[in-house]
Amino acid sequence: QSALTQPASVSGSPGQSITISCTGTASDVGSYNYVSWYQQHPGKAPKVLIYEVSNRPSGVSSRFSGSKSGNTASLTISGLQAQDEADYYCVSYSSTTTPWVFGGGTKLTVL
Amino acid sequence: EVQLVESGGGLVKPGGSLRLSCAASGFTFSTYFMIWVRQAPGKGLEWISSISSNNYTYYAESVKGRFTISRDNAKKSLYLQMNSLRAEDTAVYYCARSDRGFDPWGQGTLVTVSS
Repeated sequence: QSALTQPASVSGSPGQSITISCTGTASDVGSYNYVSWYQQHPGKAPKVLIYEVSNRPSGVSSRFSGSKSGNTASLTISGLQAQDEADYYCVSYSSTTTPWVFGGGTKLTVL
Repeated sequence: EVQLVESGGGLVKPGGSLRLSCAASGFTFSTYFMIWVRQAPGKGLEWISSISSNNYTYYAESVKGRFTISRDNAKKSLYLQMNSLRAEDTAVYYCARSDRGFDPWGQGTLVTVSS
């Protein structure tokens, strides 16, 4: 069982917006702004989309945005495109014995 | 170009050992935290180890006492020595730089533990 909870799957039609949640605890998401999000296509290495809750690296589309409220972080993808179909993972710094905790991943299907 | 390239994966018997390497280029390797993350077949990502620029090390409970992370700043290389390997250690192992999230990642190297 992963330390952070993500929905197993989400779906949306091209052009729509979707949001993926990432729920942790006061020991991780709730206390630190070190939440990042990753996109992983099959057979490929993960790629960072968002770091420190809401910052987007250069080169990442502005269609990807991040936010946090309490113990839950969220990734929003607007204007869904076919190439957005992938697995998405959140990760947070944690004050427990494991400094970095991942979510279980969310499979995004573009209908 | 900032790049990480892993090597050293392969097939090993239960109880055996393997040493993974991660060659860095395009950035000042010595100044960054580095991490290892693994992904079992069909499963999610799991952080397993980190090393600071001044060699403080951190491990997941699942590998503590069996795996050792190290670095050679002169060679711009990160290592993961894996001992007492188990079937559940079968995974693709990624190295990554810890900076503004984990970025970049290497392409991964597959470790298969099987008799």
